[in-house]
Amino acid sequence: DAGVIQSPRHEVTEMGQEVTLRCKPISGHDYLFWYRQTMMRGLELLIYFNNNVPIDDSGMPEDRFSAKMPNASFSTLKIQPSEPRDSAVYFCASSLSSLRGNTDTQYFGPGTRLTVL
Amino acid sequence: KQEVTQIPAALSVPEGENLVLNCSFTDSAIYNLQWFRQDPGKGLTSLLLIQSSQREQTSGRLNASLDKSSGRSTLYIAASQPGDSATYLCAVSLIKAAGNKLTFGGGTRVLVKP
Repeated sequence: DAGVIQSPRHEVTEMGQEVTLRCKPISGHDYLFWYRQTMMRGLELLIYFNNNVPIDDSGMPEDRFSAKMPNASFSTLKIQPSEPRDSAVYFCASSLSSLRGNTDTQYFGPGTRLTVL
Repeated sequence: KQEVTQIPAALSVPEGENLVLNCSFTDSAIYNLQWFRQDPGKGLTSLLLIQSSQREQTSGRLNASLDKSSGRSTLYIAASQPGDSATYLCAVSLIKAAGNKLTFGGGTRVLVKP
């Protein structure tokens, strides 16, 4: 398996522009997570999906952020409009639920480094 | 609210020395605890996962212990090598959570000097 795939790997944009980050989870995994990593705040969970349905988006910082999962093999995280404080590395991760209904090991993608000028 | 702390934030050791990395968490009602490794500019790689019913897990030179009652986990890396240089993060998953959230510590940046 190729693992979790994210694109683009690097994105540089100007303030006010729309940014779309993409993720392809590991085939067969039913959980998908979006995280943001910054020096100041560390690694934070933004939103996660189970079977393509958003379960908890309490970590999404503002209405400027939105995430979708139209099918089991694709998810997007959109920022519109982008601001300099959104500059961070955004990770996507996927996992397979255990028998008890909770997830075990999460597998991370390589991340997208976003710079908003 | 679950808080996860890793001390120290950075650690430098000579090659061959054993590494001891600490992780503490405030809510003992965890489902599991994971240790991850992150190399510069890369994603996270899961090293070990300890279920709440377990006290330790081992993989090669790595051994992780879990003491839920005291809210602590320790990752031991035996006979460290320069290739072990990376940032190590611990993360916990709560039983009480409505879903399956991982709360991460800030990480310990490790440098193993040849």
